[in-house]
Amino acid sequence: AQSVTQPDIHITVSEGASLELRCNYSYGATPYLFWYVQSPGQGLQLLLKYFSGDTLVQGIKGFEAEFKRSQSSFNLRKPSVHWSDAAEYFCAVGGLGGGADGLTFGKGTHLIIQP
Amino acid sequence: DGGITQSPKYLFRKEGQNVTLSCEQNLNHDAMYWYRQDPGQGLRLIYYSQIVNDFQKGDIAEGYSVSREKKESFPLTVTSAQKNPTAFYLCASSVARDMNEQFFGPGTRLTVL
Repeated sequence: AQSVTQPDIHITVSEGASLELRCNYSYGATPYLFWYVQSPGQGLQLLLKYFSGDTLVQGIKGFEAEFKRSQSSFNLRKPSVHWSDAAEYFCAVGGLGGGADGLTFGKGTHLIIQP
Repeated sequence: DGGITQSPKYLFRKEGQNVTLSCEQNLNHDAMYWYRQDPGQGLRLIYYSQIVNDFQKGDIAEGYSVSREKKESFPLTVTSAQKNPTAFYLCASSVARDMNEQFFGPGTRLTVL
């Protein structure tokens, strides 16, 4: 069975500082990987996705993520955070069919931005 | 504008009552999904449907039921058999082929009184 681990429940970063959110996955074949962001009481918005090819993926809002097969990781990064980046971030993995049978989500990382 | 709508935004239910959450999409997506979100637990899959008149159980289907009579609609019924129904419910849709993202609705917060 596939699984996703986000080791950090909360992360606090100063505005303008760099950010890295960790994600480790477990899946027997090549995974389909996603990062979503959720503002309080809202739905989820896709930041970026990885299926194959270049292991460094660019997303919206200045985010990027790097797929490392040897470490089973897909960490999310941003060089300089803005106060509006404060939100809940979810890493997810999809199996066969790119997740057509549903995604498996991590428990999320709550990002707090200090002024 | 294309998107996914969920209604109502907030729903209150008495114990022992069934309640139905609405999910509609005008994205012409084949696949639709229901997830449950609890604080600190991420999202867990309840049911999904890849085509009209067909649906599959997800990881936590007990106490829930769905129907998929139209491509645009995928209502979720929370039955009285669901022991702990208070949660945030999210509906999603996708094109249902390889390499496609799921688009999410704004969610319904269900509270059992």
